Amino acid sequence: GAGVSQSPSNKVTEKGKDVELRCDPISGHTALYWYRQSLGQGLEFLIYFQGNSAPDKSGLPSDRFSAERTGGSVSTLTIQRTQQEDSAVYLCASSTGGGNEKLFFGSGTQLSVL
Amino acid sequence: QKEVEQNSGPLSVPEGAIASLNCTYSDRGSQSFFWYRQYSGKSPELIMFIYSNGDKEDGRFTAQLNKASQYVSLLIRDSQPSDSATYLCAVNMRRALTFGSGTRLQVQP
Repeated sequence: GAGVSQSPSNKVTEKGKDVELRCDPISGHTALYWYRQSLGQGLEFLIYFQGNSAPDKSGLPSDRFSAERTGGSVSTLTIQRTQQEDSAVYLCASSTGGGNEKLFFGSGTQLSVL
Repeated sequence: QKEVEQNSGPLSVPEGAIASLNCTYSDRGSQSFFWYRQYSGKSPELIMFIYSNGDKEDGRFTAQLNKASQYVSLLIRDSQPSDSATYLCAVNMRRALTFGSGTRLQVQP
């Protein structure tokens, strides 16, 4: 597609529910990143996929968080048993990879956990 | 110590002045450095990148890198009110791109 697409744009959920956030990267981009941004804060790295390599999961804050990337394209970030502190904007970005970190960001998913 | 540190600001400059934004990083082995601009309620967008020591100019923007001091900066010449945003410094550390918390710039008309 023309840009990185994320869905949904907004998600309101109740504490304890599971949520899935979707990211469709720019066509041909082999690298895909998930970041989290709390209000007024910087970007917190969550997970990084590069081609067929094992993903770098070192930023995932707990085992409630997981992510998959199917067919080297679309990625889903899953948060199980959501907590109020999970409320944030979840940003996905992609790049051409191979050490090129010129990231193109999606518009994000605003997650609110009540 | 944070991996990438920036002064949160706000940095306030008058229209037409030079805005100077600074960033320090902890990993001496870092090779790639980026500046992203983020308008309120929007996603970050890449405005500059630099890989080698020295200056790199692009229009009104100049990125400066000093690897020995582990310091990278962004200069914005002839600042405009439309430059008012948060500027995020990002550094390629041993894993994925690591961002600072950003400096909020306000350009006063």
